[in-house]
Amino acid sequence: QQPVQSPQAVILREGEDAVINCSSSKALYSVHWYRQKHGEAPVFLMILLKGGEQKGHEKISASFNEKKQQSSLYLTASQLSYSGTYFCGTEISNQGGKLIFGQGTELSVKP
Amino acid sequence: DAGVIQSPRHEVTEMGQEVTLRCKPISGHNSLFWYRQTMMRGLELLIYFNNNVPIDDSGMPEDRFSAKMPNASFSTLKIQPSEPRDSAVYFCASSLRITGGNEQFFGPGTRLTVL
Repeated sequence: QQPVQSPQAVILREGEDAVINCSSSKALYSVHWYRQKHGEAPVFLMILLKGGEQKGHEKISASFNEKKQQSSLYLTASQLSYSGTYFCGTEISNQGGKLIFGQGTELSVKP
Repeated sequence: DAGVIQSPRHEVTEMGQEVTLRCKPISGHNSLFWYRQTMMRGLELLIYFNNNVPIDDSGMPEDRFSAKMPNASFSTLKIQPSEPRDSAVYFCASSLRITGGNEQFFGPGTRLTVL
């Protein structure tokens, strides 16, 4: 039931782009993306809802393929501040906000 | 708003002792979630409440764990007796649930070490 994220880790140079994927074996109601820096709490980035609605930061883009139950997070022109672990959380139905998180993708941006 | 408040921030205890973690959600939020994070198991949902009522506790590992939400501004997670394998960071999160797909705001977490 846990979504699978790929890649597990990625190293970038400042200015480079990256894509993080999240795949579920179950039909999804929504996909949430969070970033967590070392020693800190996860911070909300974006929600993608079934039907195409999105909520989140303007500088973050993501997609949600409902047929494949996959979501991708696009990080463009990466900055040092983008470093951290990215988690996707999947909501199977409109059942109270229950999220199942993937194992995380560790992103390191080097100068 | 001060955000989600958790206490204590760090807790070191000995095996067999009772541990109580506390959470104050963001004022006005109607959903509260308890998570546990470890290197091995990642970020796991333990239990969540809507309007102070426990909705799903299927993630609670065993009977040693219990959670309560006596009112809209306070929740506790209790472990009795504690074991070394309970060592983890415990996060509380809250959200304002109107329809589906609502962002969760996480507290700073409680780092629990059971010796």
